[in-house]
Amino acid sequence: AQTVTQSQPEMSVQEAETVTLSCTYDTSESDYYLFWYKQPPSRQMILVIRQEAYKQQNATENRFSVNFQKAAKSFSLKISDSQLGDAAMYFCAYRPTGANSKLTFGKGITLSVRP
Amino acid sequence: DAGVIQSPRHEVTEMGQEVTLRCKPISGHNSLFWYRQTMMRGLELLIYFNNNVPIDDSGMPEDRFSAKMPNASFSTLKIQPSEPRDSAVYFCASSLARTSGDSYNEQFFGPGTRLTVL
Repeated sequence: AQTVTQSQPEMSVQEAETVTLSCTYDTSESDYYLFWYKQPPSRQMILVIRQEAYKQQNATENRFSVNFQKAAKSFSLKISDSQLGDAAMYFCAYRPTGANSKLTFGKGITLSVRP
Repeated sequence: DAGVIQSPRHEVTEMGQEVTLRCKPISGHNSLFWYRQTMMRGLELLIYFNNNVPIDDSGMPEDRFSAKMPNASFSTLKIQPSEPRDSAVYFCASSLARTSGDSYNEQFFGPGTRLTVL
C-alpha cells in the first residue's frame, strides 16, 4: 500500500523569506502523480502544484516549486517570497496512474508566516 | 462554474441520530469522492464512485456509514446511528476521470461539512 509521510507538523517562515516543506512517500509503482494541496482556515482544499513521476523536470507555479527526487521518493515544496496569505495547512498527496485511482494524503503541515 | 457544493456546511447532532451529508459534483465530472478529515487521522478517503457506481468503499469505517449516488449530480453520505467519534470535517470532491490523454484527473474539493456529534 502507498503511504505519504510529512514528518514536520509545523513550520514557520518570515514574510518574504523562502521555506521548504518536506514529504516522502512509499510506492512500488514506477509511474504516478504527486500533488501539494493548500488548506487555509476556510477549509477549502486548493491544488498548489502537481508533478508527474516520469518527468524529470521539477514543476513550478509562480512562487511555488518542487524538488522531486524519484529515487529517494522525496517530494518537497519550496515557497519563495512567502506572503501572509501562504499561511495554511499543506498536504502532500500521491496518486497512481489510471482513471480510477485514489489520492493518498499525508498528515499535513501547518505553515505560519511571521510579518 | 459553481464548483462542488456540499450541504450543510455545519451540522450539530446528538449521539444516536441519523446524519445525512449531501454533495453536488461539478457538472460533467464522472468521479466523486468522500473524505473525512480529523486531527488524529488526517484526510482519509471513505468511498469513491465512478459513473455513479461505487468503486472502492474500503475506507468506510463501519456499517453505520453508507453512501449513495443515485445520479450524476447528487450523492449522499449517511451515518446511522451517529457517535461522538464521527465528529470531523467531511469533504466531497469530484473529477473528470479520463482513460487517455491528460490523466491528472484533478480532484476539485467542496467546502466541507463540519459535523459535531454530542
